[in-house]
Amino acid sequence: QKEVEQDPGPLSVPEGAIVSLNCTYSNSAFQYFMWYRQYSRKGPELLMYTYSSGNKEDGRFTAQVDKSSKYISLFIRDSQPSDSATYLCAMKGSGNTGKLIFGQGTTLQVKP
Amino acid sequence: DAGVIQSPRHEVTEMGQEVTLRCKPISGHDYLFWYRQTMMRGLELLIYFNNNVPIDDSGMPEDRFSAKMPNASFSTLKIQPSEPRDSAVYFCASSLYGGEYSDTQYFGPGTRLTVL
Repeated sequence: QKEVEQDPGPLSVPEGAIVSLNCTYSNSAFQYFMWYRQYSRKGPELLMYTYSSGNKEDGRFTAQVDKSSKYISLFIRDSQPSDSATYLCAMKGSGNTGKLIFGQGTTLQVKP
Repeated sequence: DAGVIQSPRHEVTEMGQEVTLRCKPISGHDYLFWYRQTMMRGLELLIYFNNNVPIDDSGMPEDRFSAKMPNASFSTLKIQPSEPRDSAVYFCASSLYGGEYSDTQYFGPGTRLTVL
């Protein structure tokens, strides 16, 4: 079993839809949770970052962490064609290590 | 800053040949990471360095893979001999911190490797 599970999709939605992307994990030591966005033939770039449990909002994007369920989500409101990309969740524990564990990534297509 | 620089962007080689991938991290960043991305396995960490010292190489698939960081501005990932199953996109990333606290990892554009 992988430490981080993410449905690879693809997920196709019409422009303006609300998108929900999710990851589950098994390691209760994870404290830092991130979402990276990767456009086709590009490197991933950090989109959202959350420490421990709770919600974080940034414009049209909201990240949620539920540590009791070992479940994290990324919501995109009013989705745009420019949001079409692969979204990867990533996480790490505390302690002196820089190692991130990535999910498989979910490919999202927003159709005009 | 120009961001993380990787070369070459594309590499096509034949099985058994040596392949060297290069990375220049963002100036001032203390951590450097090498990742491999495939459709089947996603994004996998191969090795990472802190202040030019390898910290964790548990993701290096086998002895055919080696990585070095001779100075703060340059790192190489070498595959010798290469095999078709090594075909993937290899990313280099760097971060300012990365130890006890999390920090943003900045990824390069990747090297797309095809081994025939």
